[in-house]
Amino acid sequence: AQKITQTQPGMFVQEKEAVTLDCTYDTSDQSYGLFWYKQPSSGEMIFLIYQGSYDEQNATEGRYSLNFQKARKSANLVISASQLGDSAMYFCAMREGTVQGAQKLVFGQGTRLTINP
Amino acid sequence: NAGVTQTPKFQVLKTGQSMTLQCAQDMNHEYMSWYRQDPGMGLRLIHYSVGAGITDQGEVPNGYNVSRSTTEDFPLRLLSAAPSQTSVYFCASSYSSSLNTEAFFGQGTRLTVV
Repeated sequence: AQKITQTQPGMFVQEKEAVTLDCTYDTSDQSYGLFWYKQPSSGEMIFLIYQGSYDEQNATEGRYSLNFQKARKSANLVISASQLGDSAMYFCAMREGTVQGAQKLVFGQGTRLTINP
Repeated sequence: NAGVTQTPKFQVLKTGQSMTLQCAQDMNHEYMSWYRQDPGMGLRLIHYSVGAGITDQGEVPNGYNVSRSTTEDFPLRLLSAAPSQTSVYFCASSYSSSLNTEAFFGQGTRLTVV
């Protein structure tokens, strides 16, 4: 069964520093997609970035990049030049490439990131 | 566009009461799902639907019912509320089941069962 693990319950970072949020996953499928979502204190879920298992390049979206290490089954989110507005809960999620698995997003436990001024 | 709309935003129920959480999307998405979010456990899938008339169970379906009579609406029913169902509930939709398809989420419903 697919599983996502985020081992950092909380992270504290100084403003303007880079931060890496860890995510490891477990799946027996060769085809899968990995997502990161941000949940600010207001509660909504905001899509940040996507990485496909067959993508050769690491995904980037503005200040967000995904450090994808397929052999280690890790998909860490890197936020460069952190800002106060980055303070939020961050979730890693996976969708498998099977017919059944494609209908479902499996989420990790989340990491609460706090940016200090 | 409204996107995914959930109502109500907050609800307090007594143990044993029933209620329906509403979810509507205006993006003509075929795929809709319900998640619950509990501290330290992330979001867990309750039920999902791949189109009108088709639903299936997720990871934690017990105590919840769903139906999908239209593409737009996907209500979640609690038949007899229990304190263990105190949680934040999210409805999500996506236009396909392709790997790279992002899910769009509603604002969430915070449910307390006393």
